[in-house]
Amino acid sequence: GENVEQHPSTLSVQEGDSAVIKCTYSDSASNYFPWYKQELGKRPQLIIDIRSNVGEKKDQRIAVTLNKTAKHFSLHITETQPEDSAVYFCAASKDNNNDMRFGAGTRLTVKP
Amino acid sequence: EPEVTQTPSHQVTQMGQEVILRCVPISNHLYFYWYRQILGQKVEFLVSFYNNEISEKSEIFDDQFSVERPDGSNFTLKIRSTKLEDSAMYFCASRRTTGELFFGEGSRLTVL
Repeated sequence: GENVEQHPSTLSVQEGDSAVIKCTYSDSASNYFPWYKQELGKRPQLIIDIRSNVGEKKDQRIAVTLNKTAKHFSLHITETQPEDSAVYFCAASKDNNNDMRFGAGTRLTVKP
Repeated sequence: EPEVTQTPSHQVTQMGQEVILRCVPISNHLYFYWYRQILGQKVEFLVSFYNNEISEKSEIFDDQFSVERPDGSNFTLKIRSTKLEDSAMYFCASRRTTGELFFGEGSRLTVL
């Protein structure tokens, strides 16, 4: 099955700095790559996703890049704010397979 | 906005007891999932369900686990004989076809 690796496990940045979280996946057939944000005690919620037919997608301060050849994708958060502090999970899945595997998570702390 | 609902929010049980966790997926969604998250750790895939049968399951989903869709709205996870290591947050999720997974608020299971 799919194996998703995520780095770093923790990340601390100053407010206003950028944060980058990286993930790799094992199954070259995977074609859907979402990122979820989980605040303490809450459910994971989708913040951005990308399909394998595009290399980059941006939504305001958040962007995701995908390198299919290298099988890795990254989350970029610019101008970080304290409310960005949370655990971020990447995931990978493919349309003809009904599981979605998550990375181990990155705990992001944005210091004011 | 429609959402996935789960009950109970918290259940405490004795080791060896049976537990049933209940979920109501979003009404027009076709794929249903159970995930487990041990405190502070990753979101682990347990099982996916489509067209009234299991479509994928992980190595965690052994014979003590079962899922059922007893009627047109509920989706349940049964743990036959709970162990201490089953203590975790259990998330139900659903999606229409491909794309975003919508998570419920979770059911926290504590096994004593």
